[in-house]
Amino acid sequence: NAGVTQTPKFRVLKTGQSMTLLCAQDMNHEYMYWYRQDPGMGLRLIHYSVGEGTTAKGEVPDGYNVSRLKKQNFLLGLESAAPSQTSVYFCASSWNTEAFFGQGTRLTVV
Amino acid sequence: DAKTTQPPSMDCAEGRAANLPCNHSTISGNEYVYWYRQIHSQGPQYIIHGLKNNETNEMASLIITEDRKSSTLILPHATLRDTAVYYCIVRVVHGSSNTGKLIFGQGTTLQVKP
Repeated sequence: NAGVTQTPKFRVLKTGQSMTLLCAQDMNHEYMYWYRQDPGMGLRLIHYSVGEGTTAKGEVPDGYNVSRLKKQNFLLGLESAAPSQTSVYFCASSWNTEAFFGQGTRLTVV
Repeated sequence: DAKTTQPPSMDCAEGRAANLPCNHSTISGNEYVYWYRQIHSQGPQYIIHGLKNNETNEMASLIITEDRKSSTLILPHATLRDTAVYYCIVRVVHGSSNTGKLIFGQGTTLQVKP
């Protein structure tokens, strides 16, 4: 039982490049979330999904897109990366009780 | 979503109880109080949650005031490994009209000292 798995764990992008972060969960959870965490800050919600085929904006959605084509996967896309998107990205999934978090993806945009 | 207020930092002696306060004066009747912690830069870890009754599990106890406007997380015998950032969050649990979003504040940095 892997829980929540994020791919990749580290990535360096050049400004303007695109990439997709993958989050996979094996707990059959309906809800999935993407957060970013900047140094010394709490987690901020980017986008979330309440079920397969649904997505919604969180607190800081600009510059990101998401898709939930399969229940177990939640993808976060950066179409044109900017240095301001340098951050640690966390994915989480939940149902009725606690949320489970992945170990994070450290993204640097140069 | 109701907001929470926590002190930015606290110290605790190893082996003593750590009491972490949280104010959530605008909490709604269907919102639960959740506590998570984040050690170093790992993903947040669930600790405990409750609606209006006090709760206890193997990690901690949660005391919620009768008016539900504040709560306290208690780590009964803090160890050095409990040094972390602790987040208090209020959240509508699924099955209601909300989405179960978890909105994090700044949290409390707990430093457990030898």
